[in-house]
This record gives sequence, structure tokens and C-alpha cells, in this order.
Amino acid sequence: KNQVEQSPQSLIILEGKNCTLQCNYTVSPFSNLRWYKQDTGRGPVSLTIMTFSENTKSNGRYTATLDADTKQSSLHITASQLSDSASYICVVTVTSGNTPLVFGKGTRLSVIA
Amino acid sequence: DAGVTQSPTHLIKTRGQQVTLRCSPKSGHDTVSWYQQALGQGPQFIFQYYEEEERQRGNFPDRFSGHQFPNYSSELNVNALLLGDSALYLCASSPGGYEQFFGPGTRLTVL
Repeated sequence: KNQVEQSPQSLIILEGKNCTLQCNYTVSPFSNLRWYKQDTGRGPVSLTIMTFSENTKSNGRYTATLDADTKQSSLHITASQLSDSASYICVVTVTSGNTPLVFGKGTRLSVIA
Repeated sequence: DAGVTQSPTHLIKTRGQQVTLRCSPKSGHDTVSWYQQALGQGPQFIFQYYEEEERQRGNFPDRFSGHQFPNYSSELNVNALLLGDSALYLCASSPGGYEQFFGPGTRLTVL
């Protein structure tokens, strides 16, 4: 069964600190992996997309890594800001089957002053 | 470019009723996908429309149906609403199904 597991479920950090969110997937055949940021009650916004051949992708203070051999990805946030408080969702694209995107449940990040 | 827009923003219905949600894709996008997101969960794929046809469908009952119009906008219809249908309904558009851009969602509450 295609699944995406994220950890931790929730995280609280102080403003200015760094943090790393984890994503493990059991999706096959794999096409690409994306990280989205979702503010409460809003639609997800794409942060990064990585294909099988890419192992790192940056977008400002966000850096995603991908290890296709171990089927693991991480999202590192540098110098966190209050506005980073949101859910971060890992999404894997499947190249066949009925469900094109498989979503994790997300990590709820709270950045406090 | 307004991006992906959805209407209404919020909706309250009672069990057994029917509801129609609407989505206008980002300019230049021809593919629209619908997702259901329960509170505290990740989005679940409902179906995807391309060229006015349902191209893929997730594990949702036939009570969930959709339509895509020639201008690529789309509707999601849910019949015989259940309490469990309460969720945030997200629409995402893409130029052919790759990069997906999400709308702000419609919050449906079933009482």
C-alpha cells in the first residue's frame, strides 16, 4: 500500500532556531516528492519538488533532501520565523494507479517568540 | 493572475442534503483535481478532470461526482450528505497534471 509517514506529528520551536521535519514513504513507482506548507484553513502552497535524481532542493530558508534508496526525505527550516507556523505536508507522486498524489498527514510546526 | 479560486468559502448543510462546490483553475491550466481534507489529516484524492472527462478517481463513493466545463472550471457535487463529509475541500489545478496549485478550499460543515 502506498503510504507517506511524517514525523514528528507536531513541533514547537523558538523563533530563530532551526528545525528538521522527516518524511518516509512506501510509494511505488515513484515520480517525485514535494513539500507543501499549509496555513490553518487554507490550501497547501508548494515549497519544493524533487525528482528521483535530485537529492537536495532549496527555496529560501527551506531546504529539502531526498534519499531515494532509503525512501526518506527531510525538510530543514533555517532561522525560523513566526510566520513559519503552519502544517508541512510531504506528498509523493505515483506514476501509476488511481491516486496520483499520496499525502502525509503533515507536521504541525509552531514557532514561538 | 488570480490563481486557483474556490467558492463558496464556507458552507453549512444538513444530513441528506446535496452540495455543489466550484473551482476556477489558474490561467493556462487544463487539469483540475479535487481533494477532501478532514481536520488534522492530509488531503485525500477524490478525482481528477482533464478535457471535461474524469481521468482518475480515488476511493470515494458515487455520491461524489464532478464536472469540468469547456473553460476548465470544475464542480464537485456531493449527494446525500453524511456527517463524515464535513471537511475542507481543496481544488488543485495543473498544466497537464504535474505541478499542482491549490485553491484556498471550501470548508463544508454537515449538521
